[in-house]
Amino acid sequence: DGGITQSPKYLFRKEGQNVTLSCEQNLNHDAMYWYRQDPGQGLRLIYYSQIVNDFQKGDIAEGYSVSREKKESFPLTVTSAQKNPTAFYLCASSMSGQGAYGYTFGSGTRLTVV
Amino acid sequence: AQKITQTQPGMFVQEKEAVTLDCTYDTSDPSYGLFWYKQPSSGEMIFLIYQGSYDQQNATEGRYSLNFQKARKSANLVISASQLGDSAMYFCAMRLTIQGAQKLVFGQGTRLTINP
Repeated sequence: DGGITQSPKYLFRKEGQNVTLSCEQNLNHDAMYWYRQDPGQGLRLIYYSQIVNDFQKGDIAEGYSVSREKKESFPLTVTSAQKNPTAFYLCASSMSGQGAYGYTFGSGTRLTVV
Repeated sequence: AQKITQTQPGMFVQEKEAVTLDCTYDTSDPSYGLFWYKQPSSGEMIFLIYQGSYDQQNATEGRYSLNFQKARKSANLVISASQLGDSAMYFCAMRLTIQGAQKLVFGQGTRLTINP
């Protein structure tokens, strides 16, 4: 079955460490996105990528980095520069130009700083 | 500024009643898309309904309908005959195209609780 796989489901990070969240899709979608969600809040866009080897900053990119070396994969690194990384992270993908059913979401990674 | 606003942080409704969740948006782009998603406590995002900016008729999907008022820039979600399983967070989102790149912008969400 096609879909988006995010791993791990839960992640614990010590202060000062970098961690990488995985996002893989087998939907042949061109575009991929990373969102951050804080408790009781909406989703905020961190980074997005329309094609391989190209990506753009979203609204809250500081302290995060991404790469898009393969169409299927869009890993997110939470660096030590991100001062408050505890949150729920969602990855999504879409075909460019798609209409109603264009966005597919992963099941999320819950990151906690310990 | 391109923005989505949901003004109801929480809603409480009796089972079997209809409920309307409010969403207003702001964009100068003539071409945009509006989505509603449901997020249960598990965290997954479930697509409910979509309305394109050029669609003449309001979208409907089963018990969900979208009350699209373009001049007022509102896209309210109506759930008819609410069920206990409808209890969740609901998000309105707008797809924008900026310099050839598409992105989806979300509102703050409304937490809907259905009481038996």
